[in-house]
Amino acid sequence: DIQMTQSPSSLSASVGDRISITCRSSQSISSYLNWYQQKPGKAPSLLISGASTLQSGVPLRFSGSGSGTDFTLTISSVQPEDFATYYCQQSYGPPITFGGGTKVEIK
Amino acid sequence: QVQLQESGPGLVKPSHTLSLTCSVSGDSITSTGYYWTWIRQLPGKGLEWIGYMSYSGSAFYSPSLKSRASISWDTAKNHFSLKLTSMTAADTAVYFCARVQSASGYYALDVWGQGTQVTVSS
Repeated sequence: DIQMTQSPSSLSASVGDRISITCRSSQSISSYLNWYQQKPGKAPSLLISGASTLQSGVPLRFSGSGSGTDFTLTISSVQPEDFATYYCQQSYGPPITFGGGTKVEIK
Repeated sequence: QVQLQESGPGLVKPSHTLSLTCSVSGDSITSTGYYWTWIRQLPGKGLEWIGYMSYSGSAFYSPSLKSRASISWDTAKNHFSLKLTSMTAADTAVYFCARVQSASGYYALDVWGQGTQVTVSS
């Protein structure tokens, strides 16, 4: 199985901060990397597919980059509604695997 | 607007079989370009993929659950189902169904059900 490692596991930020979350795969997965946001008690919501394609309706402050084994999710100016847990997911090969999550908290 | 809704028992006895159904509205489960999947989230933990069914009816499973999981569908009712046998306390989790974009090749889960809590206890 392809292992996905996210860092950091948690971070504290203030509204307006620029933050980045990293996801690293145990082998090259090209651009087969998706990002999700999950709020407490809710299902995850797709933010970005194919490493960098923003889903319809997702604010432009979210962006994704990377290919191969190293990927980054960036929020250019964190807003109150962005405090949540973020997961990466690889789809290069079954089984689908997820990163362990990064919890973004209010500082 | 595509919506998914899980249904099933919230409590399962150890060694018994879990049966969950995901009802789909706003799309057909035989639509080309989409797969249909089950994901679970263990308490306080991350997300674990269980398996998915393609639009042609082929099913694929996580190796760790393959011996116990079975995904099927009812095209007339436009729903798909999960059976997980030999349940133990370690299977206590929130179970989600979701739609998978397969046409793009990126297999992103673009629509999710709200999730259903399943507890294994006698």
